[in-house]
Amino acid sequence: DQQVKQNSPSLSVQEGRISILNCDYTNSMFDYFLWYKKYPAEGPTFLISISSIKDKNEDGRFTVFLNKSAKHLSLHIVPSQPGDSAVYFCAASRSGNTPLVFGKGTRLSVIA
Amino acid sequence: DAGITQSPRHKVTETGTPVTLRCHQTENHRYMYWYRQDPGHGLRLIHYSYGVKDTDKGEVSDGYSVSRSKTEDFLLTLESATSSQTSVYFCAMASGGFSDTQYFGPGTRLTVL
Repeated sequence: DQQVKQNSPSLSVQEGRISILNCDYTNSMFDYFLWYKKYPAEGPTFLISISSIKDKNEDGRFTVFLNKSAKHLSLHIVPSQPGDSAVYFCAASRSGNTPLVFGKGTRLSVIA
Repeated sequence: DAGITQSPRHKVTETGTPVTLRCHQTENHRYMYWYRQDPGHGLRLIHYSYGVKDTDKGEVSDGYSVSRSKTEDFLLTLESATSSQTSVYFCAMASGGFSDTQYFGPGTRLTVL
């Protein structure tokens, strides 16, 4: 049973606009969430994280929002750039006691 | 930077043969992981290690075994490769625990004919 779901396999956005990638989770015990970015033929790289004690975390153009009651998080990229075109994975952990659980990923294409 | 490497980067093998993939890190990180990435499945955890000789199974461990005799090396073995094990395999490392940031290797593309 999938505990971390990324229901949009792909997303296409124009350069300069906002990209919003969504992630839902089913395990209410998850309390730490991360986003990873993956380019073709490379390993995933860490992008941004958020703890359940927060509802927002920002790092430059990237912001992650967490809605615990809805068990939903989203990654906002503003403004989107062609170099942001990649697959984005959402991941979750439970109090650091269990390995990360990854979603299936969303492929973002930023069109110039 | 090349704090974590994988070898080989590409391998083609035949069904029924044993295969060993190597992950090597130079960061003295305690935690290491093996994942496979398949279309429509994302990243799935095969096995992980939380110290030398300390390993445990992940979500998709059937048909795989691991060994960690030194901090820097984490080996993934397919005892008898099957076509369903054709995949891209990623190794990752982390220093502080399960929720600590993981740093991934470049991947190994394995094809089982």
